[in-house]
Amino acid sequence: AQSVTQLDSHVSVSEGTPVLLRCNYSSSYSPSLFWYVQHPNKGLQLLLKYTSAATLVKGINGFEAEFKKSETSFHLTKPSAHMSDAAEYFCVVSDNVSGTYKYIFGTGTRLKVLA
Amino acid sequence: SQTIHQWPATLVQPVGSPLSLECTVEGTSNPNLYWYRQAAGRGLQLLFYSVGIGQISSEVPQNLSASRPQDRQFILSSKKLLLSDSGFYLCAWRLAGNNEQFFGPGTRLTVL
Repeated sequence: AQSVTQLDSHVSVSEGTPVLLRCNYSSSYSPSLFWYVQHPNKGLQLLLKYTSAATLVKGINGFEAEFKKSETSFHLTKPSAHMSDAAEYFCVVSDNVSGTYKYIFGTGTRLKVLA
Repeated sequence: SQTIHQWPATLVQPVGSPLSLECTVEGTSNPNLYWYRQAAGRGLQLLFYSVGIGQISSEVPQNLSASRPQDRQFILSSKKLLLSDSGFYLCAWRLAGNNEQFFGPGTRLTVL
């Protein structure tokens, strides 16, 4: 069975400092992995996705993530946090095995950016 | 371009009342459709998905049901709401052959 684990439920950083949001996955097959951001009472916005091409994936708003098969990780990073980055972030694996392609979500990481 | 609509945006309902949430997709045909729920302080959970008209798969046993009366319409319903049905409901669509899902703006449901 596929699963994702987001290692931190809350992360606080100062504006202008780097962001690291951690995600580990479990999958018997080559996974498709995604990072989404959710601002309060809003839908989900795709930040980036990994689908077995380049292991370093660049997304929107300066975010990127690196797929590391040996570590089963897909951590999200940004060199310099902005106040507008404060939101909840979800790591997602797509169930490509059953044919449903349903999403399996991590429990989320709430990012707080301090002025 | 494709767009996805959900309504209402917010809803406050008493316990025991019925529910109908609607999701429609524009600009595409034969999408796979999904309903997710985000309960307070919890992650998102898949409730239902549909690969075509009248075809509904349920992921978890619950007080809710789903229907797909038209190709681009997905409805989430309940005959009698429970307090535990409160949450943020998200609809999503995907095209066959593509594993990326696109999400609607969501409906905030509060059951009192």
